[in-house]
Amino acid sequence: DADVTQTPRNRITKTGKRIMLECSQTKGHDRMYWYRQDPGLGLRLIYYSFDVKDINKGEISDGYSVSRQAQAKFSLSLESAIPNQTALYFCATSDPHAQETQYFGPGTRLLVL
Amino acid sequence: QKEVEQDPGPLSVPEGAIVSLNCTYSNSAFQYFMWYRQYSRKGPELLMYTYSSGNKEDGRFTAQVDKSSKYISLFIRDSQPSDSATYLCASHTGTASKLTFGTGTRLQVTL
Repeated sequence: DADVTQTPRNRITKTGKRIMLECSQTKGHDRMYWYRQDPGLGLRLIYYSFDVKDINKGEISDGYSVSRQAQAKFSLSLESAIPNQTALYFCATSDPHAQETQYFGPGTRLLVL
Repeated sequence: QKEVEQDPGPLSVPEGAIVSLNCTYSNSAFQYFMWYRQYSRKGPELLMYTYSSGNKEDGRFTAQVDKSSKYISLFIRDSQPSDSATYLCASHTGTASKLTFGTGTRLQVTL
């Protein structure tokens, strides 16, 4: 079984809709991250969480919110989706005792019409 | 200017060639340097990491960091079609866990 899982893998939604992307991990890591990936822009950090009670904004948090329900679960919400949020979204985890190497999920491909 | 710069490619090489992938960075505080490989429609997977300057070898892959010139390299020997992917370099300072990524170089190894 994969260490980091994301659901859904693909999603099409309409402008103005609220959607949630979910991430679960079995690596036992405290730190979790949400990124978006766009052609030519690479991976950009949206939010990160060092533990259940510690959530921080990343480079591009506007229009997004997150919830850390448990050590193993970290959800990303788009409160009112817009077309320029069409992207590939990745969840990642890291272990601060292992050089902070990050382990990524398979991604969610989101299309906002 | 991005903190980590990477040529997007694509880079096309014949099977068996030696591949050189490169990044430059501007943040002198970066201490940890990583290479991720990303296959189409998959998440990035960690390939190699190095701390500070120097070389690290793992099979056909060698990662090299030159902090004096702020240059990061990944060499792939005896390249295979299965090496066809996008390669992302990434760095962080060690005191924060936020990785800064390059935009990725797409590599195609042809038969």
